[in-house]
Amino acid sequence: NAGVMQNPRHLVRRRGQEARLRCSPMKGHSHVYWYRQLPEEGLKFMVYLQKENIIDESGMPKERFSAEFPKEGPSILRIQQVVRGDSAAYFCASSPPQGGGSVWQYFGPGTRLTVT
Amino acid sequence: AQRVTQPEKLLSVFKGAPVELKCNYSYSGSPELFWYVQYSRQRLQLLLRHISRESIKGFTADLNKGETSFHLKKPFAQEEDSAMYYCALSGLRGGGATNKLIFGTGTLLAVQP
Repeated sequence: NAGVMQNPRHLVRRRGQEARLRCSPMKGHSHVYWYRQLPEEGLKFMVYLQKENIIDESGMPKERFSAEFPKEGPSILRIQQVVRGDSAAYFCASSPPQGGGSVWQYFGPGTRLTVT
Repeated sequence: AQRVTQPEKLLSVFKGAPVELKCNYSYSGSPELFWYVQYSRQRLQLLLRHISRESIKGFTADLNKGETSFHLKKPFAQEEDSAMYYCALSGLRGGGATNKLIFGTGTLLAVQP
């Protein structure tokens, strides 16, 4: 099992461009979480998705950010019209289906987005 | 408000010394508490969770509900313990449970030879 995969690992965008971050969960995992880490801060929850469904997007900025987890393929975090303040490390985590008990999350290596 | 506080940005100890990384939380309900560790150039990985009551790599953490704390302890630090440590909580809510994690800002543990 290759673990949670994220690509690209580093992404540079100019202000106003779009950024697309991809996350492939671990095999057998159907739940995906996205977190953002700004410099000098801890990881902040953004969104929680299951296949084809957004379960909790309480941490997503209201504008320019969107996420999806299609039936086939990786989860995508999309940032439109990036600004300098979007520069951060974006982490994806996945977990297996939850059977009522608690499960923990496995993290990917992160994508470091730099907006110039 | 749900919050995790790690008061120390950096903790520097000598090899063989005891280690205690502090974590306090604020949550109205019954949270689940975790410690995650990130070694240099590696991804974030789970170290331990309070419901397991286990010891991993010599580390233990006890949930103290009265003090709302979940401090991470190890009696004798090793150089290979040097890493970034994050305390996190997850709260299960009824009617639409979500296991999102709320992280502290992390403590960098530096174990000197």
